[in-house]
Amino acid sequence: SYELTQPPSVSVSPGQTARITCSGDALPKKNAYWYQQKSGQAPVLVIYEDSKRPSGIPERFSGSSSGTKATLTISGAQVEDEADYYCYSTDSSGNHGVFGTGTKVTVL
Amino acid sequence: EVQLLESGGGLVQPGGSLRVSCAASGFTFSNYAMSWVRQAPGKGLEWVSAISGSGGSTYFADSVKGRFTISRDNSKKTLYLQMNSLRVEDTAVYYCAKSEWEILSIDYWGQGTLVTVSS
Repeated sequence: SYELTQPPSVSVSPGQTARITCSGDALPKKNAYWYQQKSGQAPVLVIYEDSKRPSGIPERFSGSSSGTKATLTISGAQVEDEADYYCYSTDSSGNHGVFGTGTKVTVL
Repeated sequence: EVQLLESGGGLVQPGGSLRVSCAASGFTFSNYAMSWVRQAPGKGLEWVSAISGSGGSTYFADSVKGRFTISRDNSKKTLYLQMNSLRVEDTAVYYCAKSEWEILSIDYWGQGTLVTVSS
């Protein structure tokens, strides 16, 4: 079955840039979405269609995609950005959703 | 404001059945596809199923295909997930989610309902 691979963890100091990658063979043709999930809470959409930011999401969150890799960038990370982050896309058929393995971001 | 409120979770024995529901408000329910996503305790997110706005098209993860059924009642603005032949590994928080763009895309999430499969 199709898989999206993320690094298990990323650590940054406050104000620094965090980059989270998501690798999958279908990403050249399928959109990537990114979700932030804080402990005990439901996920929140932070990036859609590879690079678009929903209203209300801080500008420090940005997304890009090239080839088989999508990237979420947090520029000037804040302590409140500590959370698990998941990429999401579909397989090549478009009939199955797939979440990435998840990345725990630590800001300290 | 989009609101999604799940209900119906609980404890069920292996092999049993359970139906969870999701009441939607704040948007024109019938215009949007909907999905179910689950999260086992301490684990990552897993896409489970999706349904088109009309209900005419449905999609399932291989792990639940043939055991779970997704449906919707647009007059009641409610999404359902019927779960049969439940297994211990189906234990998870089940989230209802709204699609905005592609059918399997997700923008808003509910708060989830816990389903525990145990003897």
